[in-house]
Amino acid sequence: TQLLEQSPQFLSIQEGENLTVYCNSSSVFSSLQWYRQEPGEGPVLLVTVVTGGEVKKLKRLTFQFGDARKDSSLHITAAQPGDTGLYLCAGEEGTGNQFYFGTGTSLTVIP
Amino acid sequence: DAGVIQSPRHEVTEMGQEVTLRCKPISGHDYLFWYRQTMMRGLELLIYFNNNVPIDDSGMPEDRFSAKMPNASFSTLKIQPSEPRDSAVYFCASSYTGTGVHFGNGTRLTVT
Repeated sequence: TQLLEQSPQFLSIQEGENLTVYCNSSSVFSSLQWYRQEPGEGPVLLVTVVTGGEVKKLKRLTFQFGDARKDSSLHITAAQPGDTGLYLCAGEEGTGNQFYFGTGTSLTVIP
Repeated sequence: DAGVIQSPRHEVTEMGQEVTLRCKPISGHDYLFWYRQTMMRGLELLIYFNNNVPIDDSGMPEDRFSAKMPNASFSTLKIQPSEPRDSAVYFCASSYTGTGVHFGNGTRLTVT
C-alpha cells in the first residue's frame, strides 16, 4: 500500500478566505484524483490530473500535480460554506485502475 | 444512471453474527471496489474486481472477510463471524477503465 499523506488534517476557516491542501507521497503515480466527501455520503470525484506539472481549474478550485508526479495541491479561493467537507486525494499506481487514498483533510468553512 | 447502489444503508448486529453487504455497480463499469472507512485508518481498499474476477484481495483484513461478484451487476462482501472491530462504513465503488471511481453512499456497520 502506497502512503499518501494529506495536510493539514483539519482546517477551519472563515467564509471568503483562501486555503491550500497538500497531498504528498514518496511514490510516483500515473494519475492522481481529488474527491470531496460530505457526511453520510460517498466521496465524489472532483478532478483527475495525469501529467507532471499539470494545473486544472474547477471554478474556485485549482488543482496542481507535482512535476515528479509524487505530490499534489488543491487551492480554494474565497471559500464558501458549501465547500465544507472531507477532501481526499487518491493516487493510481501503474495502469491497474487501483487507487490508494490519502488520509484526508476535513475542511469547515464558517459563514 | 442511478449510480452505485448499496444495501443496507445501516446494519447493526451482534458479535459473532454473519453480515452481508450488497452492491450494484454502475452499468458498463468494468471495475468494482470494496473500501472500508474509519476515523483511525481512513479509506482502505479491501478488494477489487475487474470484469467480475478478483484481482487483488490483499486488503482484506482476515479470513472472516470474503467478497464475490457472480455477475457484472452484483457483488457482496460477507463478514463471518463479525467482531466489534469490524464496525466501520463500507463503500462499494465502480469505474470504467481510465476514468474516475464512483462511490455508493456506503453501509454503516455497527457490531456490538
